[in-house]
Amino acid sequence: GAGVSQSPRYKVAKRGQDVALRCDPISGHVSLFWYQQALGQGPEFLTYFQNEAQLDKSGLPSDRFFAERPEGSVSTLKIQRTQQEDSAVYLCASSQGTGIGEQYFGPGTRLTVT
Amino acid sequence: DQQVKQNSPSLSVQEGRISILNCDYTNSMFDYFLWYKKYPAEGPTFLISISSIKDKNEDGRFTVFLNKSAKHLSLHIVPSQPGDSAVYFCAAFNDYKLSFGAGTTVTVRA
Repeated sequence: GAGVSQSPRYKVAKRGQDVALRCDPISGHVSLFWYQQALGQGPEFLTYFQNEAQLDKSGLPSDRFFAERPEGSVSTLKIQRTQQEDSAVYLCASSQGTGIGEQYFGPGTRLTVT
Repeated sequence: DQQVKQNSPSLSVQEGRISILNCDYTNSMFDYFLWYKKYPAEGPTFLISISSIKDKNEDGRFTVFLNKSAKHLSLHIVPSQPGDSAVYFCAAFNDYKLSFGAGTTVTVRA
């Protein structure tokens, strides 16, 4: 079956541009997570959705970051007025349940802000 | 503030030998731990997990040990194979939220 997919796989943006990153989770998975992975570091939690509800956005680094999952399936992470420090790999993960359980990761979107 | 730490950024091991990866954590609220494996240009994939009520979990060539009093866990890979060359992340659950270490790059030499 299909895993988690993300698009685009690579994105180059000029500083100040807005970007939108898409995540297609595994069908039927209730929980969806966004992580940011800087070079040489582990993934850092950004935000969590349970179905369409955004239950935790404590990891979003600034108000330039916005995420949505309007129909409880596909999710979009939007970054407004990108800065160089936003350069990272953005990973999406989904899981079947709502608590502890294996999270299935997509391949990530590598964002480079020039 | 890193709550999950992997202090060895890299490990080189000969094929057939044991690989031992270490992980320390600071948050006593963590109640479930996982190891993920990551190849370049791919997302992390789940490898093995352990609940805080256990001290050992084994799955084929992979064994995870948990020492709660020391807030330490380790992953043993025996025997190591060339396909095991990857980055390994230790991760810990607090409720639904995963905290990751910085990863250890394992290179298995032929």
